[in-house]
Amino acid sequence: GNSVTQMEGPVTLSEEAFLTINCTYTATGYPSLFWYVQYPGEGLQLLLKATKADDKGSNKGFEATYRKETTSFHLEKGSVQVSDSAVYFCALSSSGAGSYQLTFGKGTKLSVIP
Amino acid sequence: DSGVTQTPKHLITATGQRVTLRCSPRSGDLSVYWYQQSLDQGLQFLIQYYNGEERAKGNILERFSAQQFPDLHSELNLSSLELGDSALYFCASSGTGTDYETQYFGPGTRLLVL
Repeated sequence: GNSVTQMEGPVTLSEEAFLTINCTYTATGYPSLFWYVQYPGEGLQLLLKATKADDKGSNKGFEATYRKETTSFHLEKGSVQVSDSAVYFCALSSSGAGSYQLTFGKGTKLSVIP
Repeated sequence: DSGVTQTPKHLITATGQRVTLRCSPRSGDLSVYWYQQSLDQGLQFLIQYYNGEERAKGNILERFSAQQFPDLHSELNLSSLELGDSALYFCASSGTGTDYETQYFGPGTRLLVL
C-alpha cells in the first residue's frame, strides 16, 4: 500500500536559518505529492504540490521537487521566520476507483526562535 | 480561509454516546473526504463521498457512518463512543476541474470522549 515517511521532529531553528524537511514515499502508479501546514489550533492548509516527476512546487518561499528516481519530495526554505513555526505534513494522492484520498506522513513540528 | 466549514468546533461527550459532525464543502465542490487526526495514529482517511454517493472507505470503524446530502453538505456520525475516539476530525473537499486532486480542509471538530 501507499506510505509516506517524514523526518522525525521536532526541528528547532534560529530565524533566517535554512530549512529542509525530508519526505520519501512508497506508492503504486504515479501519485501527486503535497505539503500541508498546520498552525497551532488550526486546520491543514495546502502549502504546495507537484503532480508529476521533476515538477517543482513553490509557495511563500517554500519549495519541493518531485523526484521519482529517489521517491522523495523534500521541503526546503532558504530563510525561515518565526511565523513559519507549525507542523508540516507530507502527503500523497493516488487515484483508485476515482478516489484521491490522501496518505499522510506523521508530521514534523518546526519551531523557529528569534 | 479554505471555504470549508465544520461544526461544531468542539464537542465533549461521554462514552457510549452518539454524535454528529457536520461539514459544508467549498462552493461547487462535489467531493467530501473525512479524516481523523489522533496522537497515536496521525492523520487517517476515513471515508469519501462524491455527489451524494460513497466513493471510497478507509480505516473507518463500523460504529462510524457518514452521508452526503443533496445540498452536498456531509455528516459524520459516531456512535457507541469510546475513549479512544477522542481526536480531531477534519473534512476536506475537492473540485472537478483541473485542480480535482487538491483537497481543501476545514478547521476541524475536536471531540473529547470522557
